[in-house]
Amino acid sequence: EAGVAQSPRYKIIEKRQSVAFWCNPISGHATLYWYQQILGQGPKLLIQFQNNGVVDDSQLPKDRFSAERLKGVDSTLKIQPAKLEDSAVYLCASSSPGGGTRGELFFGEGSRLTVL
Amino acid sequence: AQSVTQPDIHITVSEGASLELRCNYSYGATPYLFWYVQSPGQGLQLLLKYFSGDTLVQGIKGFEAEFKRSQSSFNLRKPSVHWSDAAEYFCAVGGTNNNDMRFGAGTRLTVKP
Repeated sequence: EAGVAQSPRYKIIEKRQSVAFWCNPISGHATLYWYQQILGQGPKLLIQFQNNGVVDDSQLPKDRFSAERLKGVDSTLKIQPAKLEDSAVYLCASSSPGGGTRGELFFGEGSRLTVL
Repeated sequence: AQSVTQPDIHITVSEGASLELRCNYSYGATPYLFWYVQSPGQGLQLLLKYFSGDTLVQGIKGFEAEFKRSQSSFNLRKPSVHWSDAAEYFCAVGGTNNNDMRFGAGTRLTVKP
């Protein structure tokens, strides 16, 4: 079974530029999450999708961050314009509500963003 | 609001020694509790989870954790640490249907030869 795919793995941009990250969850997983992990900290939930609907985006800085999951499968997270404090690893995860993996989040390897 | 506290930022143990990583949580309902491990440059991998039932849960790689409701704790233990266990460990709390998942700040484990 293929895992959660993310791209790009690394991205370096200047402040005020824009960037987009892509995530393809595990096949059949209805729930998709974007987390921000700043160096030395735990992952912070940015947005949670259930199929193509938003369940929780309370911690998403909506003035600069946006995310979509138009067809309920893959998702894109965009930052525009980027700030220095956006330097972090952006982790995508997916989950399935039932079965033996109930409650478990499956994470991708992350996209590391450096803003100069 | 739900929260997770991992009091130890960094722990160093000798290979072969026992390990306990602390986790305290705050959650308004019955929590789902998790421990994840993250190796450098990698995503997070689930070690174990607690939903209900036996308060001592076994996970992968020889880890176990004990849920203590009275102390709002879910500490992770391993009887004998291996050098390959060096990594960052995260405790997390969530609700049913995978919502409200929140992570602690993590504990970095260093293993001495």
